[in-house]
Amino acid sequence: DAKTTQPPSMDCAEGRAANLPCNHSTISGNEYVYWYRQIHSQGPQYIIHGLKNNETNEMASLIITEDRKSSTLILPHATLRDTAVYYCIVRVANTGTASKLTFGTGTRLQVTL
Amino acid sequence: GAVVSQHPSRVICKSGTSVKIECRSLDFQATTMFWYRQFPKQSLMLMATSNEGSKATYEQGVEKDKFLINHASLTLSTLTVTSAHPEDSSFYICSARGRQPTNEKLFFGSGTQLSVL
Repeated sequence: DAKTTQPPSMDCAEGRAANLPCNHSTISGNEYVYWYRQIHSQGPQYIIHGLKNNETNEMASLIITEDRKSSTLILPHATLRDTAVYYCIVRVANTGTASKLTFGTGTRLQVTL
Repeated sequence: GAVVSQHPSRVICKSGTSVKIECRSLDFQATTMFWYRQFPKQSLMLMATSNEGSKATYEQGVEKDKFLINHASLTLSTLTVTSAHPEDSSFYICSARGRQPTNEKLFFGSGTQLSVL
């Protein structure tokens, strides 16, 4: 799976949009971009994933650049409960064999009052 | 959405004893389960991958005789830490992958904090 690069930490004021960047310049054509988050002392939580089109769900939006070498996760109105480590992962989806998730160091998002 | 239940959430044991951690998929059939370990302030490290009914595949550096994994059914996988020592103290997390259409995502348990005295 392609390697990703994320800033180690970010701050965001509550109520503001949190924009978390991720670089994946070596991504392959069949690799998806996945975002997970891990709140302290809990298991990771799936947020969103996409291939090349922008995606939106009830939790967040995912913006993928046209060349697919980078993406941004957007939390439109961050709350204190969004404080967590956010992981950007690229992997092949729907493969016939098990496709594991390889976690990098992620971005520690701190939402403040 | 799909739910993965992991028990116990916390366990404290004496050095030399064995500890079993259970991971269950509650509303889907988990064809593949993954076990991760996470030390404080570090990222998740994959330990092993198990497919239902077959032997687990361990990552390099993970002792298969120490970390016994059983995936006997499509809804249950267990990790047994045998003869635990203080250096095995860590946060252990399982994740499960189902058949289509849920196989695009991995669902994670809530983790088990193991403390070995």
